[in-house]
Amino acid sequence: GAVVSQHPSWVICKSGTSVKIECRSLDFQATTMFWYRQFPKQSLMLMATSNEGSKATYEQGVEKDKFLINHASLTLSTLTVTSAHPEDSSFYICSAHKLASTDTQYFGPGTRLTVL
Amino acid sequence: SQQGEEDPQALSIQEGENATMNCSYKTSINNLQWYRQNSGRGLVHLILIRSNEREKHSGRLRVTLDTSKKSSSLLITASRAADTASYFCATAPSGSARQLTFGSGTQLTVLP
Repeated sequence: GAVVSQHPSWVICKSGTSVKIECRSLDFQATTMFWYRQFPKQSLMLMATSNEGSKATYEQGVEKDKFLINHASLTLSTLTVTSAHPEDSSFYICSAHKLASTDTQYFGPGTRLTVL
Repeated sequence: SQQGEEDPQALSIQEGENATMNCSYKTSINNLQWYRQNSGRGLVHLILIRSNEREKHSGRLRVTLDTSKKSSSLLITASRAADTASYFCATAPSGSARQLTFGSGTQLTVLP
């Protein structure tokens, strides 16, 4: 199989704090991971592409200094929401592209972030 | 901006009926994928169809792709209450088989 986990599954924090979300590929190596954000009753919007060993590529309108991405190994990427505000409350989902695979991305279960 | 637009936005049917969802996109694609999402949960990959394919089947799922019209459809036959979920199409553009752009989604409700 190809399993992707996210931790935590949900988090509630105060405004101004930073929150780190982990995305792990459990049984395969992933050179590329993607981070998406999904607001209620909306679709997924790609935030950034995370490449192992190099800087992430951010989509237009996504602040790289606010959403810090680190992809330190072939099985782990982290997204840190810095100085979180209520408008950052959302469902964050990662996906991993399997090394040597062509098309399929495997999605994590998502992390629900609520900023008070 | 969203690559894909899906219709209908919401669909409610009786168990046993077929459900058809449509997806339109704007640019050339490498492949198109359909995903399912239960409320508040992650995505489940359903089926992938490549740009040179016209139709694909997987169990009760049937996907068609018309690249001339830049559209795809997902048919779920003999629907079950457990099929209730949001369904999204996602396109991978030509030249980049990895990056996905998601459609707006269809909320399917199957009534028992």
